[in-house]
Amino acid sequence: QKEVEQNSGPLSVPEGAIASLNCTYSDRGSQSFFWYRQYSGKSPELIMFIYSNGDKEDGRFTAQLNKASQYVSLLIRDSQPSDSATYLCAVNVNYGGATNKLIFGTGTLLAVQP
Amino acid sequence: DGGITQSPKYLFRKEGQNVTLSCEQNLNHDAMYWYRQDPGQGLRLIYYSQIVNDFQKGDIAEGYSVSREKKESFPLTVTSAQKNPTAFYLCASSIVRGVGNEQFFGPGTRLTVL
Repeated sequence: QKEVEQNSGPLSVPEGAIASLNCTYSDRGSQSFFWYRQYSGKSPELIMFIYSNGDKEDGRFTAQLNKASQYVSLLIRDSQPSDSATYLCAVNVNYGGATNKLIFGTGTLLAVQP
Repeated sequence: DGGITQSPKYLFRKEGQNVTLSCEQNLNHDAMYWYRQDPGQGLRLIYYSQIVNDFQKGDIAEGYSVSREKKESFPLTVTSAQKNPTAFYLCASSIVRGVGNEQFFGPGTRLTVL
């Protein structure tokens, strides 16, 4: 069973602080990793993807990947109340041939306090 | 505008009824997916299709059926055999390649059994 694990939270941070969201995965062969943001009652929105070890920055967001530790994280700098949402980690798992599936974690609820 | 549309936004089903959820995309993506999301849980894959006229079962296919007659369309039927269909249903699409396959989601359909 391929698994993706996240702390469900809530993770509460003050406005302007750095929010750090973490995710671990079980399949060592995974090569693609994604972060989705989901506001309450809405569908997931892709905000970051990362394929290589190290950091990838996009505006206030930084994704970090460590394949040796099977760990991926998302940092949100200068957190705003509008960042309050559930953040889903997803890992692309290959099941043989051209069959790839995304396995989702259950998400971390982030609450940014004004 | 390119995107994924789902209809209806809300759907109410009586016991014993089959209902069909619509999903259309104009992103020219080869792959399409159906997920189910229950409160406090991650996304669970129902069915997916990587090419027209072909589809595969996901992790929770029992009680559901799909068709893929056109590249742009991937309707999901929730049959009376699905014992607990009340959930948020999400359709997604992606290109198909070795690494990546980032999925983009439609706005979702919320199904309630009366």
